[in-house]
Amino acid sequence: ETGVTQTPRHLVMGMTNKKSLKCEQHLGHNAMYWYKQSAKKPLELMFVYNFKEQTENNSVPSRFSPECPNSSHLFLHLHTLQPEDSALYLCASSQDDLMTWTGGGSPLHFGNGTRLTVT
Amino acid sequence: SQELEQSPQSLIVQEGKNLTINCTSSKTLYGLYWYKQKYGEGLIFLMMLQKGGEEKSHEKITAKLDEKKQQSSLHITASQPSHAGIYLCGADLGGSNYKLTFGKGTLLTVNP
Repeated sequence: ETGVTQTPRHLVMGMTNKKSLKCEQHLGHNAMYWYKQSAKKPLELMFVYNFKEQTENNSVPSRFSPECPNSSHLFLHLHTLQPEDSALYLCASSQDDLMTWTGGGSPLHFGNGTRLTVT
Repeated sequence: SQELEQSPQSLIVQEGKNLTINCTSSKTLYGLYWYKQKYGEGLIFLMMLQKGGEEKSHEKITAKLDEKKQQSSLHITASQPSHAGIYLCGADLGGSNYKLTFGKGTLLTVNP
């Protein structure tokens, strides 16, 4: 049990479909993140929400639409995706931002990801 | 060019051998984090380094941050098949309160 749960674990969708990825954290954290992990590329930060407010959007195409109804839930709505969007999408949460983090461990707690394939 | 360079990209070792993975940045590393990932799964936290010259160990894994805080190494002693996976370094490079920048990862295979 990672404390951060992502569903579904695997998703195959056509380019004209609309689907959503879901993330739920049970850690009482205030911030939630979406990262994209493609083959042979570094993890890319997509969006950050802190106390339900979007604080970062790293030039992500509008076919990806995040939603954060509360501090425990994060969604990524997908529509008219391209094959190059196939990747592992990882959700993460944190108690504090990097500036205020004083713990000895990782500031980020990751879910197990959703493996997305766009056909 | 990448902000965090990891080397090597992949590594195959015989069980029992020692190995080292490097993570290099052109910018100061304000916080350096090592994670391990099994294919298709989330990241498992290993160690965090913040101070120049800092070294931490856990079981057979040792991580170091150089004095200039621009390079870190992860050393595994007497490797075992359970060490196999993808090792990623992540770093706070400043400029954002929330962004950790990651390397591409190093794929480690340990042959029994």
